[in-house]
Amino acid sequence: DQQVKQNSPSLSVQEGRISILNCDYTNSMFDYFLWYKKYPAEGPTFLISISSIKDKNEDGRFTVFLNKSAKHLSLHIVPSQPGDSAVYFCAASHGSSNTGKLIFGQGTTLQVK
Amino acid sequence: NAGVMQNPRHLVRRRGQEARLRCSPMKGHSHVYWYRQLPEEGLKFMVYLQKENIIDESGMPKERFSAEFPKEGPSILRIQQVVRGDSAAYFCASSPYPGGQETQYFGPGTRLLVL
Repeated sequence: DQQVKQNSPSLSVQEGRISILNCDYTNSMFDYFLWYKKYPAEGPTFLISISSIKDKNEDGRFTVFLNKSAKHLSLHIVPSQPGDSAVYFCAASHGSSNTGKLIFGQGTTLQVK
Repeated sequence: NAGVMQNPRHLVRRRGQEARLRCSPMKGHSHVYWYRQLPEEGLKFMVYLQKENIIDESGMPKERFSAEFPKEGPSILRIQQVVRGDSAAYFCASSPYPGGQETQYFGPGTRLLVL
């Protein structure tokens, strides 16, 4: 039962352009969403998050959009840089669980040329 | 302030042996999470521990797997009688707060290979 899905295994973008990574979820109890970035042989690094009470959160070149009715979120990176090349994971949690456990998507490999 | 430490970084075991994976959380963090990443998949939650307590083990396989986080020392994930399907990357994360979501800091992982 894949509650968080990233349907694009990979994405290739030119340097300077916008990268858009997508994520869908099925559990309406999720109320907090996060994006992590992961380089090979390293652990995931927290990038940006959004609460379900918001529809947008911005941090520098990174913006996350949340569409609750569609159960969809996206991460926009603009402008994309070669150092952004990594695997990006979308994750979700619900506060009522009180444990903070994260449910991850399968990841999208971003290549910035 | 050192980050989350995991050792060993790579571990090779033969089928039937035991694997012990260690995680030292960041200084001041008393909440530890273990996740497993199978090849070509995302990370899957296994267990959440506080010092001397298992809070949520809903993601742990029912047999052969156990975890502890003693009062002193690192958290240990123990896999008994390993099988080839246990080959994966095991990540530990720590948090200073209970139920910490964005405050989970991940270690570099232990890559377990079962021959």
